[in-house]
Amino acid sequence: QSVLTQPPSVSAAPGQKVTISCSGSSSNIGNNYVSWYQQLPTTAPKLLIYDDNKRPSGIPDRFSGSKSGTSATLDITGLQTGDEADYYCGTWDTRLGEVFGGGTKLTVL
Amino acid sequence: QVQLQESGPGLVKPSETLSLTCTVSGGSITTGSHYWYWIRQPAGKGLEWIGRLYTGGTTDYNPSLKSRVTISGDTSKSQFTLILSSVTAADTAVYYCARASKEVTRYFLDFWGLGTLVTVFS
Repeated sequence: QSVLTQPPSVSAAPGQKVTISCSGSSSNIGNNYVSWYQQLPTTAPKLLIYDDNKRPSGIPDRFSGSKSGTSATLDITGLQTGDEADYYCGTWDTRLGEVFGGGTKLTVL
Repeated sequence: QVQLQESGPGLVKPSETLSLTCTVSGGSITTGSHYWYWIRQPAGKGLEWIGRLYTGGTTDYNPSLKSRVTISGDTSKSQFTLILSSVTAADTAVYYCARASKEVTRYFLDFWGLGTLVTVFS
């Protein structure tokens, strides 16, 4: 059981938009910035979003993050087949340390 | 560009001690305001934080693993090491090392190693 809750899977057609949610509590998301990581098949995770809504250099603006209260959201617009991956949210929990969501598998139909 | 590379045995016997090393190139584990992380991922499952080492030498560990984990740094070789004792089959996973940086107040994992598979097998 992960401390942060994500839907196990989401899917959408190429060109469409998808939203991945990440739900936590006041001991983690409610009091800390959230990061998002993309893990393509058989590769290491890669930083996608940090500080709730900032993109590292090289990450396209099709990827955006937001946060409200104890929940965070990752939006991906203009879906491409290359976006098929597992997506993880992560943050710091005051009791447990670094915590991650269980991951969401994105399928581009 | 910082690069991280995990190394260590791929097979460990139950009850023995796992030791993995992460070699950092393109940067030093003693400069800047960074944390150096170990994270693992069992096959088909999510990410689990193991612990972290601060540039200044302090450490934090996952409470569920704390009694079995030690993370330390070798500044002369720009390496940091994970030691996990009394392993069981539940410790079988891909182990990643990563660097955490911050822009404002919160650290985020900006560089990751490729990962190394460790199997606990008798």
